[in-house]
Amino acid sequence: AQRVTQPEKLLSVFKGAPVELKCNYSYSGSPELFWYVQYSRQRLQLLLRHISRESIKGFTADLNKGETSFHLKKPFAQEEDSAMYYCALSGGRGSTLGRLYFGRGTQLTVWP
Amino acid sequence: GAVVSQHPSWVICKSGTSVKIECRSLDFQATTMFWYRQFPKQSLMLMATSNEGSKATYEQGVEKDKFLINHASLTLSTLTVTSAHPEDSSFYICSATRGTNEKLFFGSGTQLSVL
Repeated sequence: AQRVTQPEKLLSVFKGAPVELKCNYSYSGSPELFWYVQYSRQRLQLLLRHISRESIKGFTADLNKGETSFHLKKPFAQEEDSAMYYCALSGGRGSTLGRLYFGRGTQLTVWP
Repeated sequence: GAVVSQHPSWVICKSGTSVKIECRSLDFQATTMFWYRQFPKQSLMLMATSNEGSKATYEQGVEKDKFLINHASLTLSTLTVTSAHPEDSSFYICSATRGTNEKLFFGSGTQLSVL
């Protein structure tokens, strides 16, 4: 069965500090991994998708199949990065992308 | 970008009544819509996958007679919580996509409180 683990419920850093939000997964096949973000009073939106390998708002995430991890990183956090971040997994090729399995989320707070 | 509208944003009902939640794709045709529920401080849990014109596919443990899903058009899916009980109180979120490998767009969610 698929499982997504985000070990930190809360994470606080100061502005300009590096930030890493951890995500580990378990899945028997080749999953697709995503990071979704939810800013205060806004709806959930896609931040990153591992296959696109792009950097959004300075965030990057590398899929490490050996460690089954997909940690989200940003070298210099900004106050506007404060939000709830969800790591999510989809069954990969041939599987509907919207069948997502989410981690419990990490609330990131960036202090000025 | 594409917009998914979810209505109502919150609803309070008496135990035993049914509640309908609508999810609309406003500017695109959504071949597939998804329904999630989220308990306080917990993750989103996928409930079902809804394809236009066909029966919804429910995740394991989700009662299909309890949570009726209808996807009658390419822009509208509805979730009806039948004979609601306090344990059904939760935050329900829908999402929609144009196609199998397309980006997912989320509604703003519906907070259901059953008294």
